Amino acid sequence: DTEVTQTPKHLVMGMTNKKSLKCEQHMGHRAMYWYKQKAKKPPELMFVYSYEKLSINESVPSRFSPECPNSSLLNLHLHALQPEDSALYLCASSQARQGRSGKLFFGSGTQLSVL
Amino acid sequence: TQLLEQSPQFLSIQEGENLTVYCNSSSVFSSLQWYRQEPGEGPVLLVTVVTGGEVKKLKRLTFQFGDARKDSSLHITAAQPGDTGLYLCAAPAEYGNKLVFGAGTILRVKS
Repeated sequence: DTEVTQTPKHLVMGMTNKKSLKCEQHMGHRAMYWYKQKAKKPPELMFVYSYEKLSINESVPSRFSPECPNSSLLNLHLHALQPEDSALYLCASSQARQGRSGKLFFGSGTQLSVL
Repeated sequence: TQLLEQSPQFLSIQEGENLTVYCNSSSVFSSLQWYRQEPGEGPVLLVTVVTGGEVKKLKRLTFQFGDARKDSSLHITAAQPGDTGLYLCAAPAEYGNKLVFGAGTILRVKS
């Protein structure tokens, strides 16, 4: 199984809503990532978890809250988002190699629209 | 700060034409990866190049890593509509378990 599964595929939410994005992988990867991607732009790193511990937070606003319940699951909790947060949110995983990023396996993403 | 500069930003060509995408940096990288992303999907790894001067072929795609490991190119021969997508180069950051991405090249192949 070389898949990273993300749910939901599409999400529309109001600025006062609370929602969660979910990501799952069964490749035994110990590094998992959240990226934000605007149309026709490269992915922007948000968070990195290594061995279920948050290792990188790229100065992401607190309205985004990541969680790694176990080595296979990664969540992104959303609260009080702004319209400019509308984007494709990608989850990825990789083998953790002494702190250097190996190749990434991406999910198909959640297309988020904030109204 | 490590930067990867990709060119061109956008390419629109006819089916059957050849093209080259470039990825350049002033930094030396231990390896470099190329990804392709189709609309509505996540990026998919095409290749990783590790050795300076290395050339790898994947069907009609040829990847080259510069001798000094500061640049790379992707050449597509006889492009097909199925090659349409966003092409991204990426390399391990100097610090931290993360990748540095280039700005991407949007390729459109018309039939």
